[in-house]
Amino acid sequence: QKEVEQNSGPLSVPEGAIASLNCTYSDRVSQSFFWYRQYSGKSPELIMSIYSNGDKEDGRFTAQLNKASQYVSLLIRDSQPSDSATYLCAVNGPGRRALTFGSGTRLQVQP
Amino acid sequence: GAGVSQSPSNKVTEKGKDVELRCDPISGHTALYWYRQSLGQGLEFLIYFQGNSAPDKSGLPSDRFSAERTGGSVSTLTIQRTQQEDSAVYLCASSLVENTEAFFGQGTRLTVV
Repeated sequence: QKEVEQNSGPLSVPEGAIASLNCTYSDRVSQSFFWYRQYSGKSPELIMSIYSNGDKEDGRFTAQLNKASQYVSLLIRDSQPSDSATYLCAVNGPGRRALTFGSGTRLQVQP
Repeated sequence: GAGVSQSPSNKVTEKGKDVELRCDPISGHTALYWYRQSLGQGLEFLIYFQGNSAPDKSGLPSDRFSAERTGGSVSTLTIQRTQQEDSAVYLCASSLVENTEAFFGQGTRLTVV
């Protein structure tokens, strides 16, 4: 079992719809959770961080964390073609010094 | 600087040559990380620095890979006797302290021919 699992996609949504990206992790003591966006040929860009159970909203983005289910998700409201990218989930916690990344979900927003 | 800076942006080298990749983290960030990403693949952790020490070198794929960090700032990743399988994008990230938000540089694309 991978430490951080994501569906590779592609996830295709129409412009204006809500895109829902999911991530599960195996280490129950993980404490820090991050979503990065990576455009083709570019480096990852941090878009959200979440540390406690519940929802965290920032503009069109909402991160959701459920530690009991070891599940973190990212919702993108009013999706735009410019949101088309690969979204990487990353996890960190005690005893682990660096972020562990999932393999990413490719999102395609259709105009 | 305002962000993490890596140099060179691109490097083409012949098989068997040594290469040095440089990372200049965000000012004041104590934690520095090296990852690599092969074409179409995920991020592979290489090494982590806290200050000048490297408490986690577990991701270095072989003894041809080494890294150092001086003055709690700039880091250099050295690959000796490069092989074609070393071709990848090498990414550096820094964070204020460990377990907090990490910010990436633009990466160095290494091609071994």
